[in-house]
Amino acid sequence: GAGVSQSPRYKVAKRGQDVALRCDPISGHVSLFWYQQALGQGPEFLTYFQNEAQLDKSGLPSDRFFAERPEGSVSTLKIQRTQQEDSAVYLCASSSGLNTNQPQHFGDGTRLSIL
Amino acid sequence: AQSVAQPEDQVNVAEGNPLTVKCTYSVSGNPYLFWYVQYPNRGLQFLLKYITGDNLVKGSYGFEAEFNKSQTSFHLKKPSALVSDSALYFCAVRGSGRGSTLGRLYFGRGTQLTVWP
Repeated sequence: GAGVSQSPRYKVAKRGQDVALRCDPISGHVSLFWYQQALGQGPEFLTYFQNEAQLDKSGLPSDRFFAERPEGSVSTLKIQRTQQEDSAVYLCASSSGLNTNQPQHFGDGTRLSIL
Repeated sequence: AQSVAQPEDQVNVAEGNPLTVKCTYSVSGNPYLFWYVQYPNRGLQFLLKYITGDNLVKGSYGFEAEFNKSQTSFHLKKPSALVSDSALYFCAVRGSGRGSTLGRLYFGRGTQLTVWP
């Protein structure tokens, strides 16, 4: 399909384990965003990439969270030493530019459960 | 600072009746406003946006929204609700000024819309 693809859809991990979440944006989209959606809440911004450059990581909750987009397409969000409060849905979104009127297109998310 | 408020956690409406989902915002500079819909276990789907121009914006699936600058509101509306419109609706604002926050969306907590037959 032509949409944003995220994998895995579901991830269960034990507290203390490391996890990696993948996002394939829409082809050609230069902007990529990660959001965290806790149960019953709206998405909260984590970080933003323009091509391979991480321009804003102010939303990452701790230094256990790390994101990369080395070739300006696929992005990975890594969480080290997971804790129960990391349980949430992690959404990836892409858009065709920054200073444009184009909306962000979201993937279906990865539901992360920390036991 | 940017923020969005959706004052209603739930909206219930009968099929065929008009619906309104409320949203108010706070933003420095000109607002870029969006409405998204989320179905269970799915990501957010874009409905419509306001950037500039006409205060009444038309979007997907018969939805529209009215931008009111004096009331800092951007309410989502539909003249005749369908059962299939039942979902979680999010209002979002994006700052339009320079800086590292440009592009990020600030979401409300969401409003669960239920349309009963």
